[in-house]
Amino acid sequence: GQNIDQPTEMTATEGAIVQINCTYQTSGFNGLFWYQQHAGEAPTFLSYNVLDGLEEKGRFSSFLSRSKGYSYLLLKELQMKDSASYLCAVTGAAGNKLTFGGGTRVLVKP
Amino acid sequence: DADVTQTPRNRITKTGKRIMLECSQTKGHDRMYWYRQDPGLGLRLIYYSFDVKDINKGEISDGYSVSRQAQAKFSLSLESAIPNQTALYFCATSTGNLEGGYTFGSGTRLTVV
Repeated sequence: GQNIDQPTEMTATEGAIVQINCTYQTSGFNGLFWYQQHAGEAPTFLSYNVLDGLEEKGRFSSFLSRSKGYSYLLLKELQMKDSASYLCAVTGAAGNKLTFGGGTRVLVKP
Repeated sequence: DADVTQTPRNRITKTGKRIMLECSQTKGHDRMYWYRQDPGLGLRLIYYSFDVKDINKGEISDGYSVSRQAQAKFSLSLESAIPNQTALYFCATSTGNLEGGYTFGSGTRLTVV
């Protein structure tokens, strides 16, 4: 089976940096995804990591350590529109479907 | 038009009723998925299909059934709705290469009273 843990909620100030951690235990591993989801809307793809290291995309970066079963999503220069839930998801050995964590709700304050 | 379209967007139904949620896509993806989302529980997989003749159960398939009528269409049925099936339902599609992740529909908010 698969188990994915991430904090339930985080609060940060506009312009600051926030790091959302995700730990996972899987029977086999084939990649880790981060999605952003605004309230009542569909999740949208942010990043995909399959190898160890940091992937940077503008204000968002995602890091993976396969040996530690650990990832984080780093959001820099926070904007009010970044207030959303951030979902960590992994694929198992077959690499054919995603298992999601419970999501981290990020609230950005002025 | 959206790449992945779900209908209806919102639905209120009574306990015991049969209801169908529909999903269609213009992405040309072979793989389609149904998830439900409950507060604090994230997205949980109900059923998935890799081809028209392929149907697979997810982690919470009890009380649900699906039909893959064509490559572009994947419908989810609740044979006899119960209140704990009240949730936000998402359809998603993908290619065989998951690097691009899923493309999600806008969701169906279902309330069973």
